[in-house]
This record gives sequence, C-alpha cells and structure tokens, in this order.
Amino acid sequence: GEDVEQSLFLSVREGDSSVINCTYTDSSSTYLYWYKQEPGAGLQLLTYIFSNMDMKQDQRLTVLLNKKDKHLSLRIADTQTGDSAIYFCAESSPGGSYIPTFGRGTSLIVHP
Amino acid sequence: NAGVTQTPKFQVLKTGQSMTLQCAQDMNHNSMYWYRQDPGMGLRLIYYSASEGTTDKGEVPNGYNVSRLNKREFSLRLESAAPSQTSVYFCASSEMDRDNSPLHFGNGTRLTVT
Repeated sequence: GEDVEQSLFLSVREGDSSVINCTYTDSSSTYLYWYKQEPGAGLQLLTYIFSNMDMKQDQRLTVLLNKKDKHLSLRIADTQTGDSAIYFCAESSPGGSYIPTFGRGTSLIVHP
Repeated sequence: NAGVTQTPKFQVLKTGQSMTLQCAQDMNHNSMYWYRQDPGMGLRLIYYSASEGTTDKGEVPNGYNVSRLNKREFSLRLESAAPSQTSVYFCASSEMDRDNSPLHFGNGTRLTVT
C-alpha cells in the first residue's frame, strides 16, 4: 500500500527553527497535511498544501513541497516550548477516496 | 460547539470482555472514522463510514465492529477484547463531500486490556 514516512524524533533549542520532514510514495497525492498532537489530546489540523503548490506560509509555519521527490517539510520559526508535540504528516488522494494516510509522527522536543 | 466527543476517556477491560466506544460529532459531517494509535505505529484506520448508513473496513478491522447509528454517532464495539487491542482509540469526522476534507479528531479513549 501507499506509505508516508517521518523520522520519529527531533530535538531543538527554544528560539531555533525546527524542520520536520516527510516522504510519501503515492504520486497521485492531492492534498498533504500537517497535524499536531499535544499530550493527552487528539490531532489538530495545523496546515495543508495542495499538490500544485510549492510552498505555503502561515505565520511561523512554512510548508515546502517537492512533488518530484515526494518530499514535504514543515518549518516552525522561533520554536517555543509550547510547540513540543507530535507532528503527523498525512496525504490524501483520489485512489484512497481522499481518506488521509498518516505517517508515524515526529516527536518534537523543545529545550529551554 | 463541542466538535467530536468520545466516551469513555479511559477504560480497563479483562481479556474476553466486551465494550462499546461511543463517538458523536456536532458539525453535521457526513463521514466518520475510527483510528487506533500505538507507539511507533502512528494512526491506523480501523473502520470508516463515508455517509449515514454505510460502513467500510480500514487497515486493521479484525476484532472490531462498528455502527453508524445516525449522522451524528459512530460507535466501535469490541466483542471479545484481547491484550493486542490495548491502544488509544480516536474517532474523527470530516465533510467528505469535497476532495479536501481535513479530519477533526476527538480526544481519544485510552483502553487497556489485561
């Protein structure tokens, strides 16, 4: 089946930028999402990008999409301790009835 | 506006016991989903309901049944719980009548089977 891969952990210092990477295999992926999960809570949509876009910026968040390499990244500028969470990459495509397929999640740890 | 509400929040079962996890959404969404989350495994889809009156298997349906009671409610039943079903269960909903339909999640049910 189609796959979404992420590294499991990322540790950064407060104030630095964080970059979380994701690769996917489905060349027909139409929408790519980033979700955030805080401890003890469900996932919340952070942002998404349509496959015909290269970049999307939303305040401290920048999403970059390299469709040729099937690579998605989420950059968080000026990372704060409140950004500590698990970040999930997900993709949806027509072949999957637009039901998102999730990666395993990247645990972001922000040190003071 | 509560969004997606799951009950109970926590549950401990003995092997062989049965239980039903409840989920309700108040966003008038057509589609509802059940996922399980296990350490290092991410989210895996158990069952989904694209619209009221329909249900379909996801990636890991064995040992589970679902009921789409009405547009608001989608329940997940474990008929005979096994330790392998110890997990955090998330219910989600989406509009699903257009191609970009992000999921809205509940806060999860933490289930332990001993």
